[in-house]
Amino acid sequence: SQTIHQWPATLVQPVGSPLSLECTVEGTSNPNLYWYRQAAGRGLQLLFYSIGIGQISSEVPQNLSASRPQDRQFILSSKKLLLSDSGFYLCAWSLWQGMNEQFFGPGTRLTVL
Amino acid sequence: SQELEQSPQSLIVQEGKNLTINCTSSKTLYGLYWYKQKYGEGLIFLMMLQKGGEEKSHEKITAKLDEKKQQSSLHITASQPSHAGIYLCGADCLTQGGSEKLVFGKGTKLTVNP
Repeated sequence: SQTIHQWPATLVQPVGSPLSLECTVEGTSNPNLYWYRQAAGRGLQLLFYSIGIGQISSEVPQNLSASRPQDRQFILSSKKLLLSDSGFYLCAWSLWQGMNEQFFGPGTRLTVL
Repeated sequence: SQELEQSPQSLIVQEGKNLTINCTSSKTLYGLYWYKQKYGEGLIFLMMLQKGGEEKSHEKITAKLDEKKQQSSLHITASQPSHAGIYLCGADCLTQGGSEKLVFGKGTKLTVNP
C-alpha cells in the first residue's frame, strides 16, 4: 500500500531563516506530487506540483521554491522566510490517469516569528 | 479561473441529526472530490463524483453531483461526534479531459455535540 510522509511535523523559524520541508511517498512509482499551504480563512492553496523528476510547476509567485530530486521525493524550500509564510503545509500525491484523486500527507505546521 | 464555494462555512449540530454541506462551482465540474480533515492533520479522501446525477455513499455519508454538474452536496445521516471535522470539496481544473490539478473550496467546519 502507498504511504506519504512529511517531515518535520512542526517547525518554528525566525524571519529571514531558510526552510526545507520534505515529502516522500512509498509504494508507488512516478506519482504526481503537490505542495499546498493552508492558512486560516484562506482555504487550501496549491503552491507547486510536479509530474516527474525535475519538472516543477509553480502556481503562485512567492519566495518559496520546490524541487523533486528523486521520483518519490518532493522538497519545499525558501532562502528567507517571511511572516506570511506561516501556515500548514500539505504534500499530496496522485496517479494521474484521467482522474485526480489525491492522497495527502499529515502536514507540517510552520510558524514564522 | 474555477472557484468553489462551500456552504455553510461552519455548522453545529446535535448528535443524531442529519446535515447537508453544499459545494457550488463557478464552472462545469468534470471531477468533484470530497475530503475530510481533522484539525492539524492531513486530508482524508471520502469519495469522487464525475457524472451528472451521480450519487455515492460511504457508511452514513452520501454525496451527489447535480445533473448540470455545477453543484455537489454532502449529506450525513444520524451524525456522530466522529463526523466532526472540516469537509472540503475539490474539483478538477478547467478542461473536460481533466487536469493534474485540483482547486479546493475553503471548507465547512462541522461540530457535532453529544
